Amino acid sequence: QLQVQESGPRLVKPSETLSLTCTVSGGSISTNDHYWGWIRQPPGKGLEWIGSIYYRGSTHTNPSLKSRVTVSIDTSKNQFYLRLSSVTAADTAVYYCESDLVGGTYRYTDSWGQGTLVTVSS
Amino acid sequence: DIQMTQSPSTLSASVGDKVTITCRASQSISTFLNWFQQKPGQAPKLLLFAASSLQSGVPSRFSGSGSGTDFTLTISPFQPEDVATYYCQQSYSAPRLSFGGGTKVDIK
Repeated sequence: QLQVQESGPRLVKPSETLSLTCTVSGGSISTNDHYWGWIRQPPGKGLEWIGSIYYRGSTHTNPSLKSRVTVSIDTSKNQFYLRLSSVTAADTAVYYCESDLVGGTYRYTDSWGQGTLVTVSS
Repeated sequence: DIQMTQSPSTLSASVGDKVTITCRASQSISTFLNWFQQKPGQAPKLLLFAASSLQSGVPSRFSGSGSGTDFTLTISPFQPEDVATYYCQQSYSAPRLSFGGGTKVDIK
């Protein structure tokens, strides 16, 4: 069973860059049937997809964040990463890393990290 | 982008009730629709995938239906441990995902 876990700073200053790492365990990140992604949830609000990456490096990002988001991967470390630049208070949220299982007639998020609250404040 | 609209945003139910939550997509998504349950302080948990397939370990009182643009999550009979917020997720455009706004369910 694949598991994912976020790590990184929990406090970021306005205008700086938020950086998070997700470590995959229980299997290889270099698998044909999974995408690896990030989802966030502002306090008291709903879920927002941020972006995803395939082990070969192809990425997809939310158009509303696209210019500020970078998702990358290091298959040798079984890790993938999120960078969100020029953060403001509106970027304060619980950030989840996750994996998406992709099959012929189904596609769904099959593993979630525990989530890490990142606060943007000076 | 595919927009997902859930209704209602909140509801109160009595133990034993039949609870129905609806989710509508802005375009046809076939059956690429998943349902999640989220309790406070926890990550979302997958309940159903492909509109109506029950995830392993999820109680059979949870069921789903629909295809195209209109989908339903039913909880019957409602139990106290089902107090949570429920989200639909479209995966038609995966890996580009999107979620409904959520339905918060509490006990009447």
